[in-house]
Amino acid sequence: GAGVSQSPSNKVTEKGKDVELRCDPISGHTALYWYRQRLGQGLEFLIYFQGNSAPDKSGLPSDRFSAERTGESVSTLTIQRTQQEDSAVYLCASSLGFTGGYTFGSGTRLTVV
Amino acid sequence: RKEVEQDPGPFNVPEGATVAFNCTYSNSASQSFFWYRQDCRKEPKLLMSVYSSGNEDGRFTAQLNRASQYISLLIRDSKLSDSATYLCVVNPRGGATNKLIFGTGTLLAVQP
Repeated sequence: GAGVSQSPSNKVTEKGKDVELRCDPISGHTALYWYRQRLGQGLEFLIYFQGNSAPDKSGLPSDRFSAERTGESVSTLTIQRTQQEDSAVYLCASSLGFTGGYTFGSGTRLTVV
Repeated sequence: RKEVEQDPGPFNVPEGATVAFNCTYSNSASQSFFWYRQDCRKEPKLLMSVYSSGNEDGRFTAQLNRASQYISLLIRDSKLSDSATYLCVVNPRGGATNKLIFGTGTLLAVQP
């Protein structure tokens, strides 16, 4: 597609439930990234996929968080047993390769109640 | 020490003013540098890359000082529409990774 697409745009879930967030990167972009932004805070790196290489998972905050990517297309970020501190905007971005800036999607606003 | 540090502001300036933001980074091996703009409750958008020789895009000028490990953004003739948070972004490792580190941003409010 023309841009990075994320769904859902908003998600309200009860504490303890699992959620799945989806990201469709720009066609042809080999790299895909997930970041988290809490209200009033900066962007926090979560995970990075580059082609067929092993993903960089160094930013995942706990084992409740996991992400998958199918080839060079769609990625899903799964949060198990959600907690209130997981409330944030989850931003996905993609880029052509090893260099250059990212293009972000409009994010998924997750609220855990 | 944070990998990327910025003055959070806010910078309150009148329309037409010139304003400059600085950002420092900790890793001297950092390879690539960017400025992003983030409007309230929106996603960050790439404003411009920062090159060693400095670069200009209309009213915006970006500069890199590798010796002192800082990046600057100068905005001339500020417009109301320039009001946003400006994020300094660094690739601290370069090479085979494009993992970018984002500063927490500098808030600019341009007043009429």
